[in-house]
Amino acid sequence: EDKVVQSPLSLVVHEGDTVTLNCSYEVTNFRSLLWYKQEKKAPTFLFMLTSSGIEKKSGRLSSILDKKELFSILNITATQTGDSAVYLCAGVNYGGSQGNLIFGKGTKLSVKP
Amino acid sequence: DTGVSQDPRHKITKRGQNVTFRCDPISEHNRLYWYRQTLGQGPEFLTYFQNEAQLEKSRLLSDRFSAERPKGSFSTLEIQRTEQGDSAMYLCASSLSPHITGGAETQYFGPGTRLLVL
Repeated sequence: EDKVVQSPLSLVVHEGDTVTLNCSYEVTNFRSLLWYKQEKKAPTFLFMLTSSGIEKKSGRLSSILDKKELFSILNITATQTGDSAVYLCAGVNYGGSQGNLIFGKGTKLSVKP
Repeated sequence: DTGVSQDPRHKITKRGQNVTFRCDPISEHNRLYWYRQTLGQGPEFLTYFQNEAQLEKSRLLSDRFSAERPKGSFSTLEIQRTEQGDSAMYLCASSLSPHITGGAETQYFGPGTRLLVL
């Protein structure tokens, strides 16, 4: 059965800290991994990772995928209170012509001022 | 706004009633997905359409659930004889299939419909 496991499940840091969120996956017909940020509404897209070892960056956020070890990390530097959210990791299962996301439970990040 | 929209945003119903939710995807997207999310969990896949064809259904989708996408644009998700366990956030997402993009697929989510069954 496909599964995605995120750690830690929750994290409390202070503004300015750097955090690393982990995501390990076992997804059949794996093709890509997605990171989402979810506040009090639907998830918003952050990154799509398809190739191993290539870092993707967006401002203070960066992410990388290791297809050999089946994991990904999401880094946030110089955290701000606006980064407080649940960060979701999802593996894409490409069985045949289909594609659906297998989500982890998320990491709840709280950034204190 | 050209993002994914869902209606209603909130629904409170009594056990045993039927409810219907609507999702309007990003206009050029040919794939549409329904997910369910309960508190403290990530979204769980329910079903997905490519154009008007329903190509996959999760085992979570019992006989009380039905989804349609009659013209390949908007979709509806109906739950019949609701139960308290159906209380959740129902999320819709849309995407372009990789056959069109030439690469991997990214799904974009709507704001969700929060259902409370009393």
